[in-house]
Amino acid sequence: GNSVTQMEGPVTLSEEAFLTINCTYTATGYPSLFWYVQYPGEGLQLLLKATKADDKGSNKGFEATYRKETTSFHLEKGSVQVSDSAVYFCALSDVNQAGTALIFGKGTTLSVSS
Amino acid sequence: DVKVTQSSRYLVKRTGEKVFLECVQDMDHENMFWYRQDPGLGLRLIYFSYDVKMKEKGDIPEGYSVSREKKERFSLILESASTNQTSMYLCASSFPGGSKDFGAGTRLSVL
Repeated sequence: GNSVTQMEGPVTLSEEAFLTINCTYTATGYPSLFWYVQYPGEGLQLLLKATKADDKGSNKGFEATYRKETTSFHLEKGSVQVSDSAVYFCALSDVNQAGTALIFGKGTTLSVSS
Repeated sequence: DVKVTQSSRYLVKRTGEKVFLECVQDMDHENMFWYRQDPGLGLRLIYFSYDVKMKEKGDIPEGYSVSREKKERFSLILESASTNQTSMYLCASSFPGGSKDFGAGTRLSVL
């Protein structure tokens, strides 16, 4: 079945460091891929998404490119801030099943210190 | 902005109680979802609904039921709460195939 694997955390960085959080997936069909972020005490918010191969999603300085050949959707940011401290979830949705719930990775906790 | 509202941020219940978690969305989304979030396990789907009065089991439906009498409201019901149902519960909604919008979550403790 479909699944998402993301790197285990926690990831601890200093402010202005470069961030990569790895995400790989297994899926039949052509899923859409998502990154969600959960700030402390809050629900999940969509950070970015990509709906087809080679698409790049971007938002708030974060980027991720849909790589079909490596089945990956790694999240990157060139210079992290303390306010980026949160839990990040990679997820996929099979576009052949309208309304199918997202399949999530287990989440990666990012902690950024000043 | 889509707003998904969960009725309670924190709940404390006793073992054996019947518990209702309410979720309301205001964007006319067809699809609604209930997840639970646990450390080290990420988000797991409990139930979802494509339309009013329709429901589908997710990955971990045991011990739960749901109700969708109106399009905007999706309720999660714990018929007889147990301690292993202590968790964070997240409601989400979306248009078919669209990205999901989440509520702030309900942290349930069953004592």
